[in-house]
Amino acid sequence: DGGITQSPKYLFRKEGQNVTLSCEQNLNHDAMYWYRQDPGQGLRLIYYSQIVNDFQKGDIAEGYSVSREKKESFPLTVTSAQKNPTAFYLCASSTGGNGYTFGSGTRLTVV
Amino acid sequence: QKEVEQNSGPLSVPEGAIASLNCTYSDRGSQSFFWYRQYSGKSPELIMSIYSNGDKEDGRFTAQLNKASQYVSLLIRDSQPSDSATYLCAVHSGYSTLTFGKGTMLLVSP
Repeated sequence: DGGITQSPKYLFRKEGQNVTLSCEQNLNHDAMYWYRQDPGQGLRLIYYSQIVNDFQKGDIAEGYSVSREKKESFPLTVTSAQKNPTAFYLCASSTGGNGYTFGSGTRLTVV
Repeated sequence: QKEVEQNSGPLSVPEGAIASLNCTYSDRGSQSFFWYRQYSGKSPELIMSIYSNGDKEDGRFTAQLNKASQYVSLLIRDSQPSDSATYLCAVHSGYSTLTFGKGTMLLVSP
């Protein structure tokens, strides 16, 4: 079955540590996205990529980095510069003007 | 700045009633409109898309679009407790990303 796989489901980060969230899709979608969701908040766009080896900053890119070396993969690194990283992170993909398909999410907590 | 506005709710309806969820958007050039359902602690799931003025029905769900009024709605007929979730409205205006509303929480009581 086609879909988007995010891993891990839960992730704990220590102060000053970089962590990487994985996102893999087998839907053959061109575009991929990373969103952050805080309790009671909407989805805020971090980064997106429309083609391999190209990506653009979203509304809240500071403290995050991404890469898009393969069509299927769009990992997100939460760096130590992100001072408030505790949130629910959602990866999505799309093709054409269709809606997004979301992964199951990664819940990141700072310990 | 593109904006999508939704009443945060909660919208409470009894089981079997019709739930009406509303959304307004600011970009008059918007072309595609989507409704997502998000259960607590889970990721959003696409339930309806609509691209032209009028109604689109899929089972118990009906999406309604009025581009002149910049308004899109979702009707859920015969609401069930399992419909209790947050419903997100999303709008695509020709730019590369969707703009999401903050969602309306729906509570269906047995």
